[in-house]
Amino acid sequence: GEQVEQRPPHLSVREGDSAVITCTYTDPNSYYFFWYKQEPGASLQLLMKVFSSTEINEGQGFTVLLNKKDKRLSLNLTAAHPGDSAAYFCAVSADTGANTGKLTFGHGTILRVHP
Amino acid sequence: EAAVTQSPRNKVAVTGGKVTLSCNQTNNHNNMYWYRQDTGHGLRLIHYSYGAGSTEKGDIPDGYKASRPSQENFSLILELATPSQTSVYFCASGDAGQGFTEVFFGKGTRLTVV
Repeated sequence: GEQVEQRPPHLSVREGDSAVITCTYTDPNSYYFFWYKQEPGASLQLLMKVFSSTEINEGQGFTVLLNKKDKRLSLNLTAAHPGDSAAYFCAVSADTGANTGKLTFGHGTILRVHP
Repeated sequence: EAAVTQSPRNKVAVTGGKVTLSCNQTNNHNNMYWYRQDTGHGLRLIHYSYGAGSTEKGDIPDGYKASRPSQENFSLILELATPSQTSVYFCASGDAGQGFTEVFFGKGTRLTVV
């Protein structure tokens, strides 16, 4: 089955610096990719969903890059601020035609942005 | 706004006891999911369902049962709870029928088995 490896497990950056989190996956049928943000004690908040056909996706204050050749997905927070401090998870779903919607998650990255 | 409601939000159970975690969604989604979240493991899929009456095993189903009596409700059942099942459990709903759009998560249930 799908394996998703997420790095780094912990990341500490200064306010205004960039922060990059990377996931690699194994299933070549992976088609849907997601980044979630989770604040302490809270549920998962969707940051961005990415489809296999698009390699660069930009959100508010972050960019998601998809490299299908290397099976790598990355989240780049371009100018981090303390409000970005949270756990971040990538999730991957394969387009098997069965429409299960099952997600395989990375193990998460705890991001701390300090002043 | 899509809504997934879990109950209870916190639960302390005794080893060997039966625990039922409930989930209700008002999104009219076909698919529902139960995940558990443990430090260092991210979220792992326990059971999922395609619709009322259906349950499917996820990646870590051992020790858990699921029930989907209606479109709106999906329960996770621990017949004989063990301390290793202490975790945070998330229910989610989604509709992957016309291409995968999004999965919506509940706020989680913190289960402690003593």
